Amino acid sequence: QVRLEQSGAELKEPGASVRISCTTSGYTFTSYLVHWVRQAPGQGLQWLGRVGCLGGDTHYSQRFQGRISITRDTSTATVYMELSSLTSDDTAIYYCARERGLDFHFEFWGQGTLVTVSS
Amino acid sequence: EIVLTQSPGTLSLSPGERATLSCGASQTVNSNSLTWYQQMPGQAPRLLIYATSTRATGIPDRFSGSGSGTDFTLTISRLEPEDFAVYYCQHYGDSMFTFGQGTRLEIK
Repeated sequence: QVRLEQSGAELKEPGASVRISCTTSGYTFTSYLVHWVRQAPGQGLQWLGRVGCLGGDTHYSQRFQGRISITRDTSTATVYMELSSLTSDDTAIYYCARERGLDFHFEFWGQGTLVTVSS
Repeated sequence: EIVLTQSPGTLSLSPGERATLSCGASQTVNSNSLTWYQQMPGQAPRLLIYATSTRATGIPDRFSGSGSGTDFTLTISRLEPEDFAVYYCQHYGDSMFTFGQGTRLEIK
């Protein structure tokens, strides 16, 4: 079955960077896109960006442009999201989610990774 | 950037009742890119409806979606206890994904 398994919770100081992984299984990795969506405590969902798992092409929300990087490793079917210059506003649960290209929706999601930014 | 506004913010109903959740867009959107998710506490969102009205795999037929242009609706025909959750609409356009702020469906 399709699975997206994310790395564990992170505690970071303001100004630091965080790197979260999303290891996929149960499907052909290079046939899909993987997106990152976050949810601040008690808040709604916010899209950060995505990577095409075949060619590694990326597209980011303008709100995060310049401090986000999404990469993929086809040998391990894993996608990574790195967010830099963290502030307390970045405290959130971060989800990876799979999209088949041009579907415009996310059928499968990871379990989420809590990132806490605090001094 | 298209803004999605969901109403009501909170909907209080009893099991067995019909629920109607709305999602309004600030501009006309492509119906193929309007999606609904359900989120239970402490869980990731779950895909319910995509392309405005297509149920995702395994979603019961009491869930239905409709709409066009700027107005979209998620209807739950007869509420089951497990349907009480937060619901989000989502749209893709202008090379980005946007979500509504959510409707909390609570037991009356």
